[in-house]
Amino acid sequence: NAGVTQTPKFQVLKTGQSMTLQCAQDMNHEYMSWYRQDPGMGLRLIHYSVGAGITDQGEVPNGYNVSRSTTEDFPLRLLSAAPSQTSVYFCASSTPSQGAYEQYFGPGTRLTVT
Amino acid sequence: AQKITQTQPGMFVQEKEAVTLDCTYDTSDQSYGLFWYKQPSSGEMIFLIYQGSYDEQNATEGRYSLNFQKARKSANLVISASQLGDSAMYFCAMRERMTTDSWGKLQFGAGTQVVVTP
Repeated sequence: NAGVTQTPKFQVLKTGQSMTLQCAQDMNHEYMSWYRQDPGMGLRLIHYSVGAGITDQGEVPNGYNVSRSTTEDFPLRLLSAAPSQTSVYFCASSTPSQGAYEQYFGPGTRLTVT
Repeated sequence: AQKITQTQPGMFVQEKEAVTLDCTYDTSDQSYGLFWYKQPSSGEMIFLIYQGSYDEQNATEGRYSLNFQKARKSANLVISASQLGDSAMYFCAMRERMTTDSWGKLQFGAGTQVVVTP
């Protein structure tokens, strides 16, 4: 049981390049989310999904696309990277239930856009 | 509008002492959940404790307890007997219940950096 995995761990992009951050979970969780973390701003939700085939925008969706073709995978695509997208990106998964159900976070991807 | 407010950007605490991290939240819903996460310098997000809005007792998990004051909309984290390994960023978060079967998005505060000194 690997939990939530993210690849790559580090990435440097040039302005205008595109790339996909990968996220996978093996816990059969319905909910998956992408966050970005910037200094002094906590974690901000980019996109989320409540199940395969269903995605929705979070707080800061511009410049990012997602899809959810399987329960396990939730990739985040940067269409045309900008320096403002330099950040640490976290993928998380959870399952709705009564009582406590924390989100399980991946280890993060540190992205630098030059 | 900011839903989760953590007013302490950073705190120093001596080893073996207790520390309280403040968190206030804003919601008009009656049903919601409050969470605390720890992020050490290694970067991973670690779940610490959960409090449901209908829970009458304050949540506790080992050295962590959540001081839940519903009328004040406050959910402070108390760490007792601090250890050097408690040095980390701590985030308060909230999720509102949308329907019987679904919960809203998890929203985070800006975090409080805790440094435990010997």
